[in-house]
Amino acid sequence: GESVGLHLPTLSVQEGDNSIINCAYSNSASDYFIWYKQESGKGPQFIIDIRSNMDKRQGQRVTVLLNKTVKHLSLQIAATQPGDSAVYFCAERGRAGANSKLTFGKGITLSVRP
Amino acid sequence: DTAVSQTPKYLVTQMGNDKSIKCEQNLGHDTMYWYKQDSKKFLKIMFSYNNKELIINETVPNRFSPKSPDKAHLNLHINSLELGDSAVYFCASTRGAYGYTFGSGTRLTVV
Repeated sequence: GESVGLHLPTLSVQEGDNSIINCAYSNSASDYFIWYKQESGKGPQFIIDIRSNMDKRQGQRVTVLLNKTVKHLSLQIAATQPGDSAVYFCAERGRAGANSKLTFGKGITLSVRP
Repeated sequence: DTAVSQTPKYLVTQMGNDKSIKCEQNLGHDTMYWYKQDSKKFLKIMFSYNNKELIINETVPNRFSPKSPDKAHLNLHINSLELGDSAVYFCASTRGAYGYTFGSGTRLTVV
């Protein structure tokens, strides 16, 4: 069956360092991936996405890498700030169309040390 | 503000009661979803509607009944609430293949 998972439940980084959050997925037919950030008491907030025809996409301080060969997705956050502390989720979409849905991995908590 | 908005934000109720959660989006999206987030933060899809038509029903007990009066609204009615229904429920919407936007959630506590 489909599953999306994260390798580590928590990640602690020093302010100013780079953070890397990893995610494994099992559905090789997935064509679209999203990283979300969820702060306490709030809904998932879109960070960055990537389509399966790409292997890298950059945003402001964030980069998503997609390795379809090993079905691995990662989120890199440059110069991590205290405001980056949150739970991060990767999500995959198995197919496009009106019946598409996002399957989420287990969240990983990012804690930024001052 | 353009957004996906849910009401209420918090809902505390007794077992056996019937309650509704409302969701509205003013993003012009044509597909709306309900997700459930459990105590371990795991997010799982429950339903999706596309242009008022039910598309996805992920083996949710029939005590849960979504209703979409129009493209911009998707409500969730829950009958005979149980302790295990306690969770945070998120509404989301999308237009076409991309751009999933989530609401801020409704924390349901059944006592």
